[in-house]
Amino acid sequence: SQTIHQWPATLVQPVGSPLSLECTVEGTSNPNLYWYRQAAGRGLQLLFYSVGIGQISSEVPQNLSASRPQDRQFILSSKKLLLSDSGFYLCAWSAFRVWEIYAEAFFGQGTRLTVV
Amino acid sequence: SQQGEEDPQALSIQEGENATMNCSYKTSINNLQWYRQNSGRGLVHLILIRSNEREKHSGRLRVTLDTSKKSSSLLITASRAADTASYFCATAIDSGNTPLVFGKGTRLSVIA
Repeated sequence: SQTIHQWPATLVQPVGSPLSLECTVEGTSNPNLYWYRQAAGRGLQLLFYSVGIGQISSEVPQNLSASRPQDRQFILSSKKLLLSDSGFYLCAWSAFRVWEIYAEAFFGQGTRLTVV
Repeated sequence: SQQGEEDPQALSIQEGENATMNCSYKTSINNLQWYRQNSGRGLVHLILIRSNEREKHSGRLRVTLDTSKKSSSLLITASRAADTASYFCATAIDSGNTPLVFGKGTRLSVIA
């Protein structure tokens, strides 16, 4: 069966420090991968998505970046965190099926990032 | 940008009652999905309805889709305290390589 791992669960970082959040998927090949951010009590904002190794699409210009060094690994990074980067970050994957554009997505448990 | 908008933003009901949440969207879709999120956790997929379907059932869940009105509803029958969570609709649009777009969600509280 497929599983998704996201870590860490919580993170407190000072302003200006770097960030690296990692997400890995097991049990599937060539998944579509996503990073979302959720502000407190709000909906999900799509940050990045990837349909293959080295293919990253950015939805929101900001000081965050994403990379996909391996088929089932997705990394969210920042060189210098801002206070506004605080939030709940969610990694997700979905299987691409020819007959169905974007089937259901499976989410990790999220990372609560607080920038202080 | 958010494609789906859930209504109401918050809903409080007694255990045993039915809960209805609505979702409206703007563009043509391939399918619409409903997800549940417990506080501080990831989202869990509940049900997917395709654009050529009008109604779908899964246990105590009933989803309807009206593509002419660009709207969907999620009905949870005989609600339980454990149904307390936020519920989101997400749309997969009908063209291009655009991923799921989520609404802001409905916060459901079921009081025992």
